[in-house]
Amino acid sequence: DIQMTQSPSSLSASVGDRVTITCRASQGIRNSVAWYQQKPGKVPKLLMYAASTLQSGVPSRFSGRGSGTDFTLTISSLQPEDVATYYCQKYNSLPLTFGGGTKVEIK
Amino acid sequence: QEQLVESGGGVVQPGRSLRLSCAASGFTFSAYAMHWVRQAPGKGLEWVAVISYDGSQIHHADSVKGRFTISRDNSKNTLYLQMDNLRAEDTAVFYCARDPIYYGWDDYFDLWGQGTLVTVSS
Repeated sequence: DIQMTQSPSSLSASVGDRVTITCRASQGIRNSVAWYQQKPGKVPKLLMYAASTLQSGVPSRFSGRGSGTDFTLTISSLQPEDVATYYCQKYNSLPLTFGGGTKVEIK
Repeated sequence: QEQLVESGGGVVQPGRSLRLSCAASGFTFSAYAMHWVRQAPGKGLEWVAVISYDGSQIHHADSVKGRFTISRDNSKNTLYLQMDNLRAEDTAVFYCARDPIYYGWDDYFDLWGQGTLVTVSS
């Protein structure tokens, strides 16, 4: 099975900072990566699919890049409402797998 | 509005069975593949199973294969997960989630239910 290794597992940044989360696939997966945001006590929410396509309604400060094995999710200017755990997910083939998550906090 | 509502969770002893349901509303349920995803307390997300829009294709994660069965009733706009021979490690919040592709599937999730907690304990 293809594994998704996400880093860092947690980070603390100031409001307005640029934040980048990385996901690495154990094999090439083209651009078949989705990103989710899960706020504390809430349901996961789709942010991005096809590595870089923003889901409707998601703020433009979120962006995604990557293809093959290396993928990034960037928040260009961190806001208080962005406090959450972020997960990547690969979907080129079954089984579907998620990264371990990155917990983002405000410094 | 588009909505998924899970039910059927609870406390169950190891080795027993439980059936989860997920009622869909606000969209054409019969046109979308559907998934179950679970999250153990304080842990990350784990994909469990997928069923095509018409029920003709089904896949389960190895961790539940032979014990869990996904199914759907399009006439009732409802997704199911039959869980047999439950183990302590199955304790989790179970979410139903919609695949975004109309009459196809792409294997990511654009709509999630609120989740139902399954606790396996003696």
